[in-house]
Amino acid sequence: QVQLQESGPGLVKPSQTLSLTCTVSGGSISDGNYYWSWIRQPAGKGLEWIGRIYTSGSTKYNPSLESRTTISVDTSKNQFSLNLSSVTAADTAVYFCARVSHNYGRAFDQWGQGTLVTVSS
Amino acid sequence: DIQMTQSPSSLSASVGDTVTISCRASQTISTYLNWYQHKPGKAPSLLIHTASRLQSGVPSRFSGRGSGTDFTLTISSLQPEDFATYYCQHSYSAPFTFGPGTKVDI
Repeated sequence: QVQLQESGPGLVKPSQTLSLTCTVSGGSISDGNYYWSWIRQPAGKGLEWIGRIYTSGSTKYNPSLESRTTISVDTSKNQFSLNLSSVTAADTAVYFCARVSHNYGRAFDQWGQGTLVTVSS
Repeated sequence: DIQMTQSPSSLSASVGDTVTISCRASQTISTYLNWYQHKPGKAPSLLIHTASRLQSGVPSRFSGRGSGTDFTLTISSLQPEDFATYYCQHSYSAPFTFGPGTKVDI
């Protein structure tokens, strides 16, 4: 059973860059049947898709965040990462990493537990 | 972008009840519609993919229907562990948006 685990600072200052890593265990991030995504949820609000990456490094981002977002993959470490620049308080949220399955209608079939990132000085 | 709406936003039910949640897309998405259950402090979990296909390990009391723009999630014989928030999400084209959620409580 594949497992995903987010890691990174829980507190980021305004205008700085939020950086998170998702470590995949129990499966290979190079498996061509999957994409790898980041999703976030501000407190009391719904889920927002941030973007996804394929093992080749090909990316697609939510246009609302694209200018500030970079997702990268490190196949040697079985990890993928999120960088979100120029953060404000509006970026305070629980950030989830998730696996996207081609076999299941491109649904998010496995998720990490989520990590809270607070943007505050 | 494709917008997703859900109704109701919340509902109260009892163990044993049957509940139905509706989801509508702002344009046709074929059957690229997925349903998730989310409990506080936990990771969301996939219940239904491709509108009506039950994810492995999910109890058969969960079912999904629909195509095009209108979809439903039905939970038959509600169990105590089913009290949660349910989200629909389209996977038709990026950005892959979620509905606002339906909270099911007692």
